[in-house]
Amino acid sequence: NAGVTQTPKFRILKIGQSMTLQCTQDMNHNYMYWYRQDPGMGLKLIYYSVGAGITDKGEVPNGYNVSRSTTEDFPLRLELAAPSQTSVYFCASSPTRRSSYEQYFGPGTRLTVT
Amino acid sequence: AQTVTQSQPEMSVQEAETVTLSCTYDTSESDYYLFWYKQPPSRQMILVIRQEAYKQQNATENRFSVNFQKAAKSFSLKISDSQLGDAAMYFCAYRSALSRNTPLVFGKGTRLSVIA
Repeated sequence: NAGVTQTPKFRILKIGQSMTLQCTQDMNHNYMYWYRQDPGMGLKLIYYSVGAGITDKGEVPNGYNVSRSTTEDFPLRLELAAPSQTSVYFCASSPTRRSSYEQYFGPGTRLTVT
Repeated sequence: AQTVTQSQPEMSVQEAETVTLSCTYDTSESDYYLFWYKQPPSRQMILVIRQEAYKQQNATENRFSVNFQKAAKSFSLKISDSQLGDAAMYFCAYRSALSRNTPLVFGKGTRLSVIA
């Protein structure tokens, strides 16, 4: 299994540009999450999804949008990039059974907005 | 809202020695999960160990063990026989068990250096 994959690994954007960060998992997990990690900080939740067609805001959703049309994919959209969105973005997924509450993370996308 | 505090921004340990990383958390809930994640320079988040709050026994995974003090809301990680590959950022994280879709709440991390 590939687990959670993210593309691209690195990206440089100019202010005002848009882009989509891709996230795919092949573990048939219903729950998926997007986090951002700023330098010297832990991860903060941007958006999450409990299944196809269902998404909800996390702690820091402003400037981002998500969609969940399939169980496998959970893309994150930046519409008008700002320097404050320079960060490392992690996608994660988790299974639904109570016995396993851990989250499985992708390798991250390092985004720089200049 | 729950918070997780890691009071040690940086720690160092000699190879083969033991080190303990501290974590405290604040919650009014009684059912939850606690995790330690390792983030090496590759940035990959790797689960090190997990503790269910309803279990009194401390979790252990090979050289990694925790000291879970529920009343004190403390969850420290002990790494025994430290190896060079243990050098990384370590994040303590909390997850409520009230519903299945609650996200992880992370501390700011502790950077561990291992000295040969």
